Amino acid sequence: NAGVTQTPKFQVLKTGQSMTLQCAQDMNHNSMYWYRQDPGMGLRLIYYSASEGTTDKGEVPNGYNVSRLNKREFSLRLESAAPSQTSVYFCASRMGQGMDGYTFGSGTRLTVV
Amino acid sequence: QKEVEQDPGPLSVPEGAIVSLNCTYSNSAFQYFMWYRQYSRKGPELLMYTYSSGNKEDGRFTAQVDKSSKYISLFIRDSQPSDSATYLCAMSAAGGQAGTALIFGKGTTLSVSS
Repeated sequence: NAGVTQTPKFQVLKTGQSMTLQCAQDMNHNSMYWYRQDPGMGLRLIYYSASEGTTDKGEVPNGYNVSRLNKREFSLRLESAAPSQTSVYFCASRMGQGMDGYTFGSGTRLTVV
Repeated sequence: QKEVEQDPGPLSVPEGAIVSLNCTYSNSAFQYFMWYRQYSRKGPELLMYTYSSGNKEDGRFTAQVDKSSKYISLFIRDSQPSDSATYLCAMSAAGGQAGTALIFGKGTTLSVSS
């Protein structure tokens, strides 16, 4: 039972490079989320997908794009990485019914130099 | 004013102490309240979940919600070194709706010494 799987776990990028963070869940959850976590800032929502085929902006969407590829997978793309995007990125999912919380992945530590 | 305020600590206590962690919020529409625990270099994991006002107990953990004061608390009894982690409060106005995003506090770092 893998839960939420994020790849890669670590990445170093040069300014201006692009990359895609991958997230997959095997719990048949409807909703998926991307957060970034920075010291002193807590968890901030980047984008979310309420259900397959829909995506919405969160609190800090600038510089990012997302794709809900299917019900299982939700990817986050940085088109032109900037040092300000150095952070730990977490993917999360939830069923979206009743009183259920998020299940988080283990995170991707991204450094942009 | 941030929607959710949480003292980042750090909070250091001896083993066996009672720990009180707190969050305040400004949005009166919030009615679903959660506490997450995050160990170093790990993702957050759901610890407690409460709806509206009242108390909920699970082993050594008790979550309290006071909607009139817009204040939530997590109490840890008989704290253990394994409780050393960052605790994040989270809340939303409509927890059951698909896609509803949680608003998180910044987290309080707790250290329990043996």
